Amino acid sequence: EPEVTQTPSHQVTQMGQEVILRCVPISNHLYFYWYRQILGQKVEFLVSFYNNEISEKSEIFDDQFSVERPDGSNFTLKIRSTKLEDSAMYFCASSGRQGENSPLHFGNGTRLTVT
Amino acid sequence: KNQVEQSPQSLIILEGKNCTLQCNYTVSPFSNLRWYKQDTGRGPVSLTIMTFSENTKSNGRYTATLDADTKQSSLHITASQLSDSASYICVVSGGSTLGRLYFGRGTQLTVWP
Repeated sequence: EPEVTQTPSHQVTQMGQEVILRCVPISNHLYFYWYRQILGQKVEFLVSFYNNEISEKSEIFDDQFSVERPDGSNFTLKIRSTKLEDSAMYFCASSGRQGENSPLHFGNGTRLTVT
Repeated sequence: KNQVEQSPQSLIILEGKNCTLQCNYTVSPFSNLRWYKQDTGRGPVSLTIMTFSENTKSNGRYTATLDADTKQSSLHITASQLSDSASYICVVSGGSTLGRLYFGRGTQLTVWP
């Protein structure tokens, strides 16, 4: 069964550094998402992406964050200058269609640790 | 405020027993309710999706119910197995932005042999 893959599985970085988290969504999917989960807390929406542009973003997704689909397969999340509070599990997700009953397929996440 | 609350926070049961997890939500307008299973260190995996008009849906040993009037849902697991040990997350789609998902904190289920 096709799946969403994320790399790396664990990234350690120093505060102030830039990080890029990578995702390969399911190949025929059109809608892409980033979520994060701080340890012990609930999953939080960051951003959704469709047709090469952001369709929605949350309050968390400030100017330090950006997303890109540089080619037909990769979907990346960049954090320009990491802060300690960016430490979390970041999940990429994709779906084949928008709307009410479309299941989201999640990757296994990248654990980001900012020191 | 759009919120999803789950109970209990954690639950321990013996292998072979049944259990029921609860979810209450205040998300409005409501679009659908989803249950996900999240194994430790993995991404959530969809179990069921229910719309307003559906009040029960099964996926193998998992049966979800929805009461849209009282804004409550439950996930019933039958004949539990060790592999059912995971966090079960209730997710509600809706609110002022179409397709926005609101996540509960999850119920951590542990199945003991």
